[in-house]
Amino acid sequence: DAGVTQSPTHLIKTRGQHVTLRCSPISGHKSVSWYQQVLGQGPQFIFQYYEKEERGRGNFPDRFSARQFPNYSSELNVNALLLGDSALYLCASSRGGALPSEAFFGQGTRLTVV
Amino acid sequence: EDQVTQSPEALRLQEGESSSLNCSYTVSGLRGLFWYRQDPGKGPEFLFTLYSAGEEKEKERLKATLTKKESFLHITAPKPEDSATYLCAAPETGGFKTIFGAGTRLFVKA
Repeated sequence: DAGVTQSPTHLIKTRGQHVTLRCSPISGHKSVSWYQQVLGQGPQFIFQYYEKEERGRGNFPDRFSARQFPNYSSELNVNALLLGDSALYLCASSRGGALPSEAFFGQGTRLTVV
Repeated sequence: EDQVTQSPEALRLQEGESSSLNCSYTVSGLRGLFWYRQDPGKGPEFLFTLYSAGEEKEKERLKATLTKKESFLHITAPKPEDSATYLCAAPETGGFKTIFGAGTRLFVKA
């Protein structure tokens, strides 16, 4: 079975530009979460979507947005990129439902803002 | 404020030298404590979920335990291939935001 797939794997953008990151969850999983991870720190929660609805939002500015599609895939959008947005962006899929459940992560997208 | 704190930040062991990693949490009404392993440049890999105090889970050389305030990841007779960063996480009180600790970087020398 395919795991969580993210694209692209690496990306270089210029300050002020916009970026879209994509994620396909494990088949049968209905929830997708996005995280930002900088070197030496644990992943920081950005969003969680379940059945196309936002179910959780972390402490990130409005420049960050996301959506989930009917096939449960998801996009993370970041506008007006700053140097500090350089990080590994992780997508995780989980079964979803009324209670939190374990998440399975993709390999991440390494974003570098120059 | 909900918090997840891991210690130590880094741990260096000789092959075969058993030890434990700590994860303390201040989340109320815990609805799951998750352990992950992360190799450099890769996404975290799920290891265990614990739900209630006293619960234990094992996988090869790893055993995770849970109390009302903390969780431990015990590593028995580690091998160099166990070298990685170990992360613990918990959902926030009453919500779905998952809070990760900063991780413990484990180095096992042959």
